[in-house]
Amino acid sequence: SSELTQDPAVSVALGQTVRITCQGDSLRNYQTNWYRQKPGQAPALVMFGDNRPSGIPDRFSGSRSGNTASLTITGAQAEDEADYYCNSRDSTGYHFVFGTGTKVTI
Amino acid sequence: QITLKESGPTLVKPTQTLTLTCSFSGFSLTTNGVGVAWIRQPPGKALEWLALLYWNGEATYSPSLKTRLTVTEDTSTKQVVLSMTNMDPVDTATYYCAHRGDPDAFDFWGQGTVVTVSS
Repeated sequence: SSELTQDPAVSVALGQTVRITCQGDSLRNYQTNWYRQKPGQAPALVMFGDNRPSGIPDRFSGSRSGNTASLTITGAQAEDEADYYCNSRDSTGYHFVFGTGTKVTI
Repeated sequence: QITLKESGPTLVKPTQTLTLTCSFSGFSLTTNGVGVAWIRQPPGKALEWLALLYWNGEATYSPSLKTRLTVTEDTSTKQVVLSMTNMDPVDTATYYCAHRGDPDAFDFWGQGTVVTVSS
């Protein structure tokens, strides 16, 4: 399958923990990346595999189990309110796919 | 410092061909592992990957749009050009180009350019 499925929306109280999931068969074999997109802005990479790009706070963490990848925000801040998209390669490995997106409300 | 910027028409008519340019700096498209991708986002909808041009000149395209897309590089001007034929109103979207780096992720993005398809 070349689809990556995410929950449409989640809400979390300020300072609490939220986990965003991404499900797809290709995630068993390929790295999952996560992007944060604030209104009117381009997406920004916040996690590749279980690694954070420089400048991304350590409250963001990534993990994977089977065909499901997760992005966890521990101690969510107001500035984390955004749309989050997962991304990986498809089952062939030659193409890329994005998830359906999750709107996180703080 | 890696930067990318998209440019092109804001309005195209149905059946026309869209040509967008991604101007980049801070990296070379001849460096092993590097790529430039095109990604779009219709209003209020999710991101959709369109194409990727690799450092070795190879390109890969979304299977659903493959017959309509071409990605090329102008090495002299450090630009990557996306062409999409037979435009339709459903192709109305913000189009982004992005740098694909060593972690196999899109780690730098342009600001995006809005394209409307309407007669």
